[in-house]
Amino acid sequence: QKEVEQNSGPLSVPEGAIASLNCTYSDRGSQSFFWYRQYSGKSPELIMFIYSNGDKEDGRFTAQLNKASQYVSLLIRDSQPSDSATYLCALNTGGFKTIFGAGTRLFVKA
Amino acid sequence: ETGVTQTPRHLVMGMTNKKSLKCEQHLGHNAMYWYKQSAKKPLELMFVYSLEERVENNSVPSRFSPECPNSSHLFLHLHTLQPEDSALYLCASSQVGTANTGELFFGEGSRLTVL
Repeated sequence: QKEVEQNSGPLSVPEGAIASLNCTYSDRGSQSFFWYRQYSGKSPELIMFIYSNGDKEDGRFTAQLNKASQYVSLLIRDSQPSDSATYLCALNTGGFKTIFGAGTRLFVKA
Repeated sequence: ETGVTQTPRHLVMGMTNKKSLKCEQHLGHNAMYWYKQSAKKPLELMFVYSLEERVENNSVPSRFSPECPNSSHLFLHLHTLQPEDSALYLCASSQVGTANTGELFFGEGSRLTVL
């Protein structure tokens, strides 16, 4: 079983819709969870981080964490073509080791 | 310069060459990382240095040799590589501590092609 699993996509949504990106993980000791965005040919950049069960909102982005189900998601409201990118789910089990999923490609159609 | 800078951005080398990738962080962070990114695969953590000491070495072949001379600089020395080592090599830094988020700040990457 992969440590961090994501649907590779592409996930295609129309402009203005809600994009829902999902991630499951295997290590119950995981402490912190991250969503990174990576544009083609660029390096990853942090979008959201979450530590506690529940929802965390930042502008158009909402991260959701359910540790019992080992599930973390990212919702993007009012999706824009500029949101088209690969979204990487990542987790940290403490210390220096951050583990990434393979990413979900999102395509927002204008 | 600000953030994390990597050089060279692109590198083509033969299997018998020796080359080095360089990373410099201007963020005052206490940890630096090398990740490998291959197409459609997760980022693979290769090495982690904290305050110039290696704290993680994820079963990386010895043809990759890291060096961290100080907390701002990180090198990845490459020798006798294989074509399957062709990938994007990303350097990152972070501030590790109880009050920190654990966010990684990435450089733009070095695209390596091994012929």
